[in-house]
Amino acid sequence: AQSVTQPDIHITVSEGASLELRCNYSYGATPYLFWYVQSPGQGLQLLLKYFSGDTLVQGIKGFEAEFKRSQSSFNLRKPSVHWSDAAEYFCAVGARGGATNKLIFGTGTLLAVQP
Amino acid sequence: KAGVTQTPRYLIKTRGQQVTLSCSPISGHRSVSWYQQTPGQGLQFLFEYFSETQRNKGNFPGRFSGRQFSNSRSEMNVSTLELGDSALYLCASSLGISGQIYNEQFFGPGTRLTVL
Repeated sequence: AQSVTQPDIHITVSEGASLELRCNYSYGATPYLFWYVQSPGQGLQLLLKYFSGDTLVQGIKGFEAEFKRSQSSFNLRKPSVHWSDAAEYFCAVGARGGATNKLIFGTGTLLAVQP
Repeated sequence: KAGVTQTPRYLIKTRGQQVTLSCSPISGHRSVSWYQQTPGQGLQFLFEYFSETQRNKGNFPGRFSGRQFSNSRSEMNVSTLELGDSALYLCASSLGISGQIYNEQFFGPGTRLTVL
């Protein structure tokens, strides 16, 4: 069965520090991979996605993620965190093949940014 | 272009009642998906509609149902509400272009349902 694990429930970083949020997935083949961000009271905003090709993908707001097949991981990174990055981050997988857009989400990582 | 809109944004109901939530997708989008978000269970897929047909369904009881209209607007209904149905219900729309394996989904702000 497909699943997504985000091992870190809560992370606190200082403004200007680097950030890495972990994501591991379980899927029979290479899935579609996504990172979303959710600010309080808001819906989900897509940060970046991986479908195929270059395993390092760039997204919005200075985020990037690297797909590592051997580790079944898709970790999100940012070199320098801004206070406005405080939010909850969700990793998700989408099934390949078939006529569906269903997403399976991880439990999320809540990011706090210290001044 | 307007984003995905959901109405109402907030709802308070009591146990046993039923509720209907509405989602208007981005213009031109034909696929609408619904998700339930709770602190305990996280984000869980409810169902997906494309061209007025349900094409995928999550693992939820029959009290949860949905439909899609010819203009792609969608509604979901929860009957006989339980305390555990309190959640943020998110709707996502996508183009749903035939032959395209995956379509990027755009999420609405959600409807916050509180069951007392």
